[in-house]
Amino acid sequence: EADIYQTPRYLVIGTGKKITLECSQTMGHDKMYWYQQDPGMELHLIHYSYGVNSTEKGDLSSESTVSRIRTEHFPLTLESARPSHTSQYLCASSDSVSAEAFFGQGTRLTVV
Amino acid sequence: RKEVEQDPGPFNVPEGATVAFNCTYSNSASQSFFWYRQDCRKEPKLLMSVYSSGNEDGRFTAQLNRASQYISLLIRDSKLSDSATYLCVVTAYSGGGADGLTFGKGTHLIIQP
Repeated sequence: EADIYQTPRYLVIGTGKKITLECSQTMGHDKMYWYQQDPGMELHLIHYSYGVNSTEKGDLSSESTVSRIRTEHFPLTLESARPSHTSQYLCASSDSVSAEAFFGQGTRLTVV
Repeated sequence: RKEVEQDPGPFNVPEGATVAFNCTYSNSASQSFFWYRQDCRKEPKLLMSVYSSGNEDGRFTAQLNRASQYISLLIRDSKLSDSATYLCVVTAYSGGGADGLTFGKGTHLIIQP
């Protein structure tokens, strides 16, 4: 069983609110990722980190920001939520040797 | 050209049949290959790694063809519970270890009774 956790699992929030999606892993993985996925659609990489104090934007432009102050923690923040941000957000981490990735259960975000 | 390409399907297959699908990748430096399974509204989960010599896990067989830059997944005696989206993942390596993951769009498989 993967030791990577996301909170909250579900979030319904009003337009303009600031939100932070939490992601933590206890596997000591250096690499962590945030993906956005709409129902039935492909995964889109929005942010990634190769270690503490390292963050990069992914392939899909996103208005969110991330931080990596600790190895185990990779939160994603939306300063002002909009209905277009409604989606599922998946966090993952991977080992630098085997490259096997493990996913959290996701946060399903609805902005009304 | 996308880095990792998969036929999105859907593949509609009768229960008990054998089904196979491929995934092509464009980065010749890719060194690690995986198949993930994603159920509807769930997170992707690792199904199997793909080794150079090929590997088998029960009804599932994965193969790698480096010359043609593709990997394949074969499912024998398909079960209703095999219905899912199968994601191909590749990664290259640099001095810092494994680079980021590159996911295909996934192949949607439906096993019919």
